[in-house]
Amino acid sequence: AQRVTQPEKLLSVFKGAPVELKCNYSYSGSPELFWYVQYSRQRLQLLLRHISRESIKGFTADLNKGETSFHLKKPFAQEEDSAMYYCALRAGNTPLVFGKGTRLSVIA
Amino acid sequence: KAGVTQTPRYLIKTRGQQVTLSCSPISGHRSVSWYQQTPGQGLQFLFEYFSETQRNKGNFPGRFSGRQFSNSRSEMNVSTLELGDSALYLCASSILGTGVNEQFFGPGTRLTVL
Repeated sequence: AQRVTQPEKLLSVFKGAPVELKCNYSYSGSPELFWYVQYSRQRLQLLLRHISRESIKGFTADLNKGETSFHLKKPFAQEEDSAMYYCALRAGNTPLVFGKGTRLSVIA
Repeated sequence: KAGVTQTPRYLIKTRGQQVTLSCSPISGHRSVSWYQQTPGQGLQFLFEYFSETQRNKGNFPGRFSGRQFSNSRSEMNVSTLELGDSALYLCASSILGTGVNEQFFGPGTRLTVL
């Protein structure tokens, strides 16, 4: 079965510092990986997906098949980045499997 | 386009009761998925409906059931409520399904079981 692990429940960084939210997965095939974000009092929304290779709100994520990781990175954290971040995996046409989430707190 | 709507937003029930939650997807979306969100377990998939048929099911007991209507609206039912069912229940819709298109989430229904 597929599994997504986000090892940090909480990550606190200072404004302007680099951010890296870790995500590791277990799946033997070629998965699709996503990052979802939930800001305070807002609904869960898609941040980015690995196949699009975009940078959204300054965040990027690279799929590393050798290390089975899909870490989310941003060079300079902003206060408005404070939110709950979920890594998710999709294998074929199966439903998304989510990690347990990491709460990012950016300190001014 | 209006987003995914869920009703009610908050519910308080007691153990042993049953509850029905409702989800209206984005217009034109035929797939509706349900998730349970808790602080300890995060987001766990319950089931997905597409064109009134259950297409996928997560690892939840039979007390959890759902259905989808011809207008794509979906309901989720939990019978014989337990304390552990207290959670935020999220609904998400997509055009053709979780394996194909982006999912758009609703605000959730917060269920508290006393």
